Amino acid sequence: DTGVSQNPRHKITKRGQNVTFRCDPISEHNRLYWYRQTLGQGPEFLTYFQNEAQLEKSRLLSDRFSAERPKGSFSTLEIQRTEQGDSAMYLCASSSKPSWTGELFFGEGSRLTVL
Amino acid sequence: DQQVKQNSPSLSVQEGRISILNCDYTNSMFDYFLWYKKYPAEGPTFLISISSIKDKNEDGRFTVFLNKSAKHLSLHIVPSQPGDSAVYFCAARKSTGNQFYFGTGTSLTVIP
Repeated sequence: DTGVSQNPRHKITKRGQNVTFRCDPISEHNRLYWYRQTLGQGPEFLTYFQNEAQLEKSRLLSDRFSAERPKGSFSTLEIQRTEQGDSAMYLCASSSKPSWTGELFFGEGSRLTVL
Repeated sequence: DQQVKQNSPSLSVQEGRISILNCDYTNSMFDYFLWYKKYPAEGPTFLISISSIKDKNEDGRFTVFLNKSAKHLSLHIVPSQPGDSAVYFCAARKSTGNQFYFGTGTSLTVIP
């Protein structure tokens, strides 16, 4: 399978714990995005990487959130001191096209449940 | 603040008929729009896009219409097929920045 891969698919954690999600984009895609989707809502932009550079961050990305893409390949999204409001589906997407096209390939998402 | 709105949470259409999904936006800075389709347990899949310099874009059975004065876009699917049953999200982008603003989605059911 050469699509966008996200792990773990589902994470259940207690409030206050740290969690990390990993995204493996389609190889040769230099652009990588993280979105968050809560129940009944559409995806909300979190951050955007071009190669290893983080070029844009949403104000939704509080200081408890950090994303990295150290070698311009896979990316991690870490949430520290999780809160119940962090419960959501975290979607990763990648693309080889300029970001203005919006033509992203999304993974299946990592669902976070904070108890 | 929901800048992209899909006011119909669900829509049911008979197979072979036309499906029309609607989307409204509030920000006049939006200049590029697109539609994504999402099946259960899968990530959204890009469907079709339109630039603000156009009022129509067609791709096979799918056509997107843009009415800038009304800040409204719509997706027409003709003819509708059972495999089109999915949640459809519209999204919009400002002329600056890399993020797309998504609507809340419309769940389309095409009845055989």
